Amino acid sequence: EAQVTQNPRYLITVTGKKLTVTCSQNMNHEYMSWYRQDPGLGLRQIYYSMNVEVTDKGDVPEGYKVSRKEKRNFPLILESPSPNQTSLYFCASSLGQGSRREQYFGPGTRLTVT
Amino acid sequence: LAKTTQPISMDSYEGQEVNITCSHNNIATNDYITWYQQFPSQGPRFIIQGYKTKVTNEVASLFIPADRKSSTLSLPRVSLSDTAVYYCLVGDRADNQGGKLIFGQGTELSVKP
Repeated sequence: EAQVTQNPRYLITVTGKKLTVTCSQNMNHEYMSWYRQDPGLGLRQIYYSMNVEVTDKGDVPEGYKVSRKEKRNFPLILESPSPNQTSLYFCASSLGQGSRREQYFGPGTRLTVT
Repeated sequence: LAKTTQPISMDSYEGQEVNITCSHNNIATNDYITWYQQFPSQGPRFIIQGYKTKVTNEVASLFIPADRKSSTLSLPRVSLSDTAVYYCLVGDRADNQGGKLIFGQGTELSVKP
């Protein structure tokens, strides 16, 4: 089954404790992206990757890191999480970049930073 | 930075037609307009996409005027299961490579019996 998977689905952590949220897709998609979703703000793009070893900042990259060493994986790293990073995070992938490409979303990761 | 604007919420009743408009004044010439639907505890999923004029599929219609500065998602005869958040998506006009994507704030549609 074609899908985007994220792990963990739920995470509660404390300020400053490094964490990684994994994202994997099995559709051989070139483009992958991370979003955070907050009430009243909709979906905001954090980082995106147009191919292996090619990453760039989205709208709200501060406090996040990403890497793209393999085509199928695009982990999101929070080196020193803070409470304002409490949010619902979505990973997405598509065959190529651009607004014309259909985005396939993962199920989401709900992160709470205390 | 491109920006999209949608109504925050809308109410409707079963069987009615619902129209949700998205404003995207700075849309780029080569940009498409895509709409997504999101149910609680799920990721958004693709509904419909267009470039200009009108597009229709089995789920919805999308109307795009000639100046392309707005678009309207039309859901015919909604049912309770159409209760969801609807997002419009365009690219970032300042991003020539097409990597940056801009979602609207989302419109929360509530369908009542």
